[in-house]
Amino acid sequence: DVKVTQSSRYLVKRTGEKVFLECVQDMDHENMFWYRQDPGLGLRLIYFSYDVKMKEKGDIPEGYSVSREKKERFSLILESASTNQTSMYLCASSVTGHEQFFGPGTRLTVL
Amino acid sequence: GENVEQHPSTLSVQEGDSAVIKCTYSDSASNYFPWYKQELGKGPQLIIDIRSNVGEKKDQRIAVTLNKTAKHFSLHITETQPEDSAVYFCAASRGYNAGNMLTFGGGTRLMVKP
Repeated sequence: DVKVTQSSRYLVKRTGEKVFLECVQDMDHENMFWYRQDPGLGLRLIYFSYDVKMKEKGDIPEGYSVSREKKERFSLILESASTNQTSMYLCASSVTGHEQFFGPGTRLTVL
Repeated sequence: GENVEQHPSTLSVQEGDSAVIKCTYSDSASNYFPWYKQELGKGPQLIIDIRSNVGEKKDQRIAVTLNKTAKHFSLHITETQPEDSAVYFCAASRGYNAGNMLTFGGGTRLMVKP
């Protein structure tokens, strides 16, 4: 079975802190994605990566950056966390043209 | 870019009844339409998908229909059971040409009452 793991289920940070969310997949997928999930807005794509060191902006990249140094790991970085970044963050991976497999999510609260 | 709208946002049905969730999309180049189910505390999981070369696909109690002309697609669940209670998301994609990027609808919370 494909497994996508995220470093934390719950995270509480203060405004202005630098925040790292880590995602690891174990199926050698070339594509990895970061979404945020907010009630009524569904899942919105922040960034995706189609190969090591490659990244593309999604629909809402402002305030975020990403890093993919190894194929299995994709990190989301909040350079200076703000309260409007309080949300559920979901990571996913896929082989191009096939389904995306999601991790369990990280619920981030920024105070 | 693509815009996907999903209705209703909440749906409550009696066990054994049918449930229908509808989505519309804006990009006529979209050709892949998956449906994901998200149970409490878990990430979304693919339950069924349809590509633009077919109008309907069925898998046991769930079916998806696609109308490319009207740019809408629907999820049908028959003989609903309490374990069908979850949040359902539709999505649309241009498929291979877009690196499998998906645009999601806003989600439908389905509650099946025993």
